[in-house]
Amino acid sequence: GAVVSQHPSRVICKSGTSVKIECRSLDFQATTMFWYRQFPKQSLMLMATSNEGSKATYEQGVEKDKFLINHASLTLSTLTVTSAHPEDSSFYICSASAREGSSYNEQFFGPGTRLTVL
Amino acid sequence: AQSVTQPDIHITVSEGASLELRCNYSYGATPYLFWYVQSPGQGLQLLLKYFSGDTLVQGIKGFEAEFKRSQSSFNLRKPSVHWSDAAEYFCAVGPGGFKTIFGAGTRLFVKA
Repeated sequence: GAVVSQHPSRVICKSGTSVKIECRSLDFQATTMFWYRQFPKQSLMLMATSNEGSKATYEQGVEKDKFLINHASLTLSTLTVTSAHPEDSSFYICSASAREGSSYNEQFFGPGTRLTVL
Repeated sequence: AQSVTQPDIHITVSEGASLELRCNYSYGATPYLFWYVQSPGQGLQLLLKYFSGDTLVQGIKGFEAEFKRSQSSFNLRKPSVHWSDAAEYFCAVGPGGFKTIFGAGTRLFVKA
């Protein structure tokens, strides 16, 4: 089956620093990747959608200068949390999909990255 | 606006008992419907999905779900719960434009 990895699985950083999270599709080419944020005991909130080679589309209320997304290749997307603060602490999950034509293709989820900002 | 409602925040079921997790959606047309399971600290695993056709959908791990258009529901069922089924379950709807909207989740506890 399709596998999506995330790295790192956990990261602890000091307030004011930037953190990069990688999302990789290991055995398929992901034309679209999604980034979600999940607060404790809550659901997933879509932050942005990125298509390979183009700028990410951010959801309303998500600061694009705060959460930089790059989808440079068909197998890699990165989320950089810039100047992180404690309120950015959360569980970040990516998913990837290989869209073909107009059909809806399944999203495959990564295992998530736990970010703690001190 | 599209939305997904999971009325039960948490449910406790005895091992071996049957399970039904409720999900209601709001969407203008026939949606794409999903159930995912998430173990603590993990990503999401797809249990099953409905796009069209037979309204009773079989998934992995012995789960099934039934799409009822008249009730705008897509409830998840399992005839006999195992202790390993304890997890968070999310119902989701994909409006076809690729964006997936998740419900708030239902935490399943399984007691011996």
